[in-house]
Amino acid sequence: QSVLTQPPSVSGAPGQRVTISCTGSNSNIGAGYDVHWYQQLPGTAPKLLIYGDNNRPSGVPDRFSGSKSGTSASLAITGLQAEDEADYYCQSYDRSLGGSGVFGGGTKLTVL
Amino acid sequence: QITLKETGPTLVKPTQTLTLTCTLSGFSLSTYGVAVGWIRQPPGKAPEWLALISWDDHKRYSPALKSRLTITKDASENQVVLTMSNMNPVDTATYYCAQNHGLLLGWFDPWGQGTLVTVSS
Repeated sequence: QSVLTQPPSVSGAPGQRVTISCTGSNSNIGAGYDVHWYQQLPGTAPKLLIYGDNNRPSGVPDRFSGSKSGTSASLAITGLQAEDEADYYCQSYDRSLGGSGVFGGGTKLTVL
Repeated sequence: QITLKETGPTLVKPTQTLTLTCTLSGFSLSTYGVAVGWIRQPPGKAPEWLALISWDDHKRYSPALKSRLTITKDASENQVVLTMSNMNPVDTATYYCAQNHGLLLGWFDPWGQGTLVTVSS
């Protein structure tokens, strides 16, 4: 059971907007630790999508955005495309774990 | 171009110690602010954060695995080594190393390609 909770799956039609939540607690997200998001295509390593809550690395389309409030964070994807079908993971740190990192359980995005 | 590559055995027996090496290219672990971490991902499951080491030899471990993990760096070879003792079939996973940003509290980018380690007798 992950420290950070994500919905197992979300889906949307091409062109739609979807959001993926990442729910933590006062010892991780709520303690002010940044949240980072990764996209993992089948058979490949995770790829950084959002860092520091809401920053996009160069090369990541602006269709992807991140936000954080209280003990939760969210990843939003607008203008959904077929190639967005992947697994998405949030990551943060937890002070009750000595500042070690934690990942969410992952969300499978299906583009209908 | 920054790349990381994991090497090590693909098969280990239960109770054995696993040693994995991460070779860095395009950046140096001797540079201020640089850190490298290890993450593993069992088949079909989420990634699990394992350990981090920084340019100044600060180390962090997953509390759940701390007693079994050791992370070290070889600056001359620009490598990071992870050892995990007392391997068990539940440790079967793809093991990744990745550059960590944000002074041990940040994000991983880029990641190595990963190496699948199977624990079986």
